Amino acid sequence: DTAVSQTPKYLVTQMGNDKSIKCEQNLGHDTMYWYKQDSKKFLKIMFSYNNKELIINETVPNRFSPKSPDKAHLNLHINSLELGDSAVYFCASSQVSHLGIYGYTFGSGTRLTVV
Amino acid sequence: AQTVTQSQPEMSVQEAETVTLSCTYDTSESDYYLFWYKQPPSRQMILVIRQEAYKQQNATENRFSVNFQKAAKSFSLKISDSQLGDAAMYFCALQGGSEKLVFGKGTKLTVNP
Repeated sequence: DTAVSQTPKYLVTQMGNDKSIKCEQNLGHDTMYWYKQDSKKFLKIMFSYNNKELIINETVPNRFSPKSPDKAHLNLHINSLELGDSAVYFCASSQVSHLGIYGYTFGSGTRLTVV
Repeated sequence: AQTVTQSQPEMSVQEAETVTLSCTYDTSESDYYLFWYKQPPSRQMILVIRQEAYKQQNATENRFSVNFQKAAKSFSLKISDSQLGDAAMYFCALQGGSEKLVFGKGTKLTVNP
């Protein structure tokens, strides 16, 4: 049973289009994230939601809009796609407990290619 | 601000040998956690090992162990008895307090048969 699942795994689209990536976690975690991995493999956080509330919003163009309908789901909508948006987008989740931080669980990533 | 530096863009090791990947970090938090993640060609991010900063004992997970030097802010990963399946990108990561997880730029490990 997949812990963090993202759809689609691959997305090829034309410049100017609008697309969405969906993420769901069945771990019961309170916090979910979107990370972007560029062509040089660098991973950078974009957004974080805790129990449906936006808590981290890094410097990301406002063409990117996250939505969390409930704490198990975090979607990413991208308007007016540009060539520079081509990357791998990872969803992740985590839970902080009195026992500490145990790292993030990542989805398998969505490779977005804008042509 | 938290930063993580991996100074080795690429490393290679012979199968069955031992390799050490370097990582240094900086944080103003007194309570933080350090991680190594593995990303094979399948691109899945896999947690390899975790270290709590307040614990002096180095974490180990089977063939993977760390050398955590808190004063030097160093957190290296040692892979013993390297296997072909260990070939991947390895990312060092830091999470302090309620901060986000910050990654280094990664080290690409090649395992030669």
